[in-house]
Amino acid sequence: EPEVTQTPSHQVTQMGQEVILRCVPISNHLYFYWYRQILGQKVEFLVSFYNNEISEKSEIFDDQFSVERPDGSNFTLKIRSTKLEDSAMYFCASSPIREQFFGPGTRLTVL
Amino acid sequence: AQSVTQPDIHITVSEGASLELRCNYSYGATPYLFWYVQSPGQGLQLLLKYFSGDTLVQGIKGFEAEFKRSQSSFNLRKPSVHWSDAAEYFCAVSKERGADGLTFGKGTHLIIQP
Repeated sequence: EPEVTQTPSHQVTQMGQEVILRCVPISNHLYFYWYRQILGQKVEFLVSFYNNEISEKSEIFDDQFSVERPDGSNFTLKIRSTKLEDSAMYFCASSPIREQFFGPGTRLTVL
Repeated sequence: AQSVTQPDIHITVSEGASLELRCNYSYGATPYLFWYVQSPGQGLQLLLKYFSGDTLVQGIKGFEAEFKRSQSSFNLRKPSVHWSDAAEYFCAVSKERGADGLTFGKGTHLIIQP
């Protein structure tokens, strides 16, 4: 059964550094998403992406964040200058049009 | 804006007993509703979904949920829980079928007693 994959599983970085989180959505899915989950809190929507552009974004998704689909398979989330409060689990999801399928997540730790 | 409330932070159930996890949503139009399960250290797995039609929906692992518009609820049920059901359960709502981001509740942590 096709799955959403994410790399790396854990990323440790210094405050102020740039990080890129990578996702491979399920092939032939049309919609792509990033969510985050701060430890002990609920899952929060960051951004959705469709037809090579951002479809919707939340208040969390400020100028420090960007997304890209550099080729036909990868979907990336870049954080330009990480802050301590960016420490969280980041989930990628993809959808054919209805339900969203989530990847296993990347745990980002900002020191 | 839509919102989701899961009033129970923790629920403890004996193995073999029935289970009901509560979910209330707030949204002006017909919502699209989901239940996800998250095991420790894992991603989110879709248990079931409601878009329209029959208000009682069946999902994987023996779970079902009932959409009640009058109560703005979408409660998750299972007639007999197994120890492997111990996990975090999230209710979520979206405005459209996959086009918009999901709004999640805070989750209910399910503990199974032997």
